[in-house]
Formats: sequence, structure tokens, C-alpha cells
Amino acid sequence: DVKVTQSSRYLVKRTGEKVFLECVQDMDHENMFWYRQDPGLGLRLIYFSYDVKMKEKGDIPEGYSVSREKKERFSLILESASTNQTSMYLCASSLVGGQSTQYFGPGTRLTVL
Amino acid sequence: RKEVEQDPGPFNVPEGATVAFNCTYSNSASQSFFWYRQDCRKEPKLLMSVYSSGNEDGRFTAQLNRASQYISLLIRDSKLSDSATYLCGPYNQGGKLIFGQGTELSVKP
Repeated sequence: DVKVTQSSRYLVKRTGEKVFLECVQDMDHENMFWYRQDPGLGLRLIYFSYDVKMKEKGDIPEGYSVSREKKERFSLILESASTNQTSMYLCASSLVGGQSTQYFGPGTRLTVL
Repeated sequence: RKEVEQDPGPFNVPEGATVAFNCTYSNSASQSFFWYRQDCRKEPKLLMSVYSSGNEDGRFTAQLNRASQYISLLIRDSKLSDSATYLCGPYNQGGKLIFGQGTELSVKP
């Protein structure tokens, strides 16, 4: 069974803080993704990675960075959190290939005050 | 125009009803598509993929209309447990998914 875990289910941070969201998958997947989900806007891709140390911008990368030092771990970093980054953050992983199923983690509900 | 558009609903239907929702896409080059299901406060999970004209899995049928650029999801004999948000979109290069905003379904007793 594929398992994708995220470091926190709920997180409260203050404006200007640096925030780290961690994601770990146990199925040796090459691809990993970070999304945010907001009411009425659906899932929007922030960054993705096809391999260790590789990253590509998604649709809304501004204000975020990522790190992938190990195949199983993909971190999302908010360098200076702002209130408009309050959202549900979802990590996913998949095998390489255009039509591979993405397996999602349970999500982190981030609130920036 | 958005790449993927879905009617957000909510669709409120009684148990046993048949319900269908559509998902329109803008890129005519898209070849294959997906439907994910997301329960309240849970992560999305793949319901089915659609590669050609359609796909069927038990009570769930997905159809693709390339001429009009939409995919549909039909749920027959709705169950209370079908209540969820249904997300659709095309598979993209390199394993990326393009999601619509989702359609909320609520099945009532």
C-alpha cells in the first residue's frame, strides 16, 4: 500500500516566519508534487520534482521554494509566510509516466496570522 | 478560459438516484483524463482514468466527448457513501495533472 505522509496536519504560523512542510513517500516514486487547495479554486500545483535535486515550477510558485535531497522526501518552504498563504497544502507522489496515478498525503492545514 | 471547468454544485440527490456531472477542458490535444474523489477533510484518491471513449467501473461510468471537449461522470444507484467532491481533468506531460475546481455531490437518505 502506497503511503504518503506529511509532517503536520495543522500548523499555525505568524507573518514573516519561515515555514517548512515535509512530505515523505515510501513507494520509491520518482515524481513528487506540492499543491495548495482553496475553496472555489481547486488544487493548484506549486512545484514538482522528477528526481532527486530536480525541481520545476508549477502554476503558482511565487513565495515558495522546494528541496528534494532524498528520493523519498520533498519539502516545501515558505521563506516569509504571508496571510495569503493560509491554505490546505497537499503533497503527492507518482511513478514516472504521463498517466501515473498520484497518491496524496493527508494534507497540512496552514494558518498564517 | 480556464483549462478545466466543473460545475461546483452542490448536487443534492436522494439515495438510489442517477446523477451525472460534466467536466470541460480547453486543450484539444489532451488525450487522457482522470476522475479523483475527495471525501470531506480527506485527500483526493483516483476514481478512474479515461483513455478513449469511456470507462466503466461498477456503478460509475465515465465518458469522453472529444468533439465537445468534455468528460462526464455518471453514478447510478447513488449511495450515501458516494457523497464527496469529484475532481476531473486531463493528464499532462510528465505526470502532471490539471485539476478542475471539483463538483460536490451530496446523497441524502
